[in-house]
Amino acid sequence: GNSVTQMEGPVTLSEEAFLTINCTYTATGYPSLFWYVQYPGEGLQLLLKATKADDKGSNKGFEATYRKETTSFHLEKGSVQVSDSAVYFCALTDNNAGNMLTFGGGTRLMVKP
Amino acid sequence: EAGVTQSPTHLIKTRGQQVTLRCSPISGHTSVYWYQQALGLGLQFLLWYDEGEERNRGNFPPRFSGRQFPNYSSELNVNALELEDSALYLCASSLGAGTEETQYFGPGTRLLVL
Repeated sequence: GNSVTQMEGPVTLSEEAFLTINCTYTATGYPSLFWYVQYPGEGLQLLLKATKADDKGSNKGFEATYRKETTSFHLEKGSVQVSDSAVYFCALTDNNAGNMLTFGGGTRLMVKP
Repeated sequence: EAGVTQSPTHLIKTRGQQVTLRCSPISGHTSVYWYQQALGLGLQFLLWYDEGEERNRGNFPPRFSGRQFPNYSSELNVNALELEDSALYLCASSLGAGTEETQYFGPGTRLLVL
């Protein structure tokens, strides 16, 4: 079956630090890859996505590249802000798995001023 | 444009009771998905409806059921509630049924079973 593994948190950074959250996946088909963010007390918001190998998704200064050879989709941001504090979920859909999103366990990011 | 809406926002029930959660997708979206976010268990897929039909079901017992109406809104029903059903239930919608389509999430319904 499909699975997504992401680094456990919490990740604590100072403002303006560089962020990397690792995500690797296992899929039986040809997955599309997503990063979602969940702010406290809210639902999930799409952060970025990539639908084929070597695609780079980007939004709000965050980036992730779909690496088929390493089955990875690591999230990066060059300079984090306090407002980036949230839980980040890596996820995939797979044409062999009926459109369901398979999520990683989530990584809590805390950014200190 | 309005996003995905869910009702109610919070709900408290007791063991053995039944509950119905509601979801309205983004206008023009035909697919609706339900997920459970339980403490310590992460996000688990429950159900997928598209064009009024159930297309896929996650690994949940039959007391979890739902339907999609002609206007594409959806209900999730949970019968014989158990304590472990306490969770945030998230609804999402997408424009089409392809795996590359983005699923847009609502704010969720928080269910507490006592």
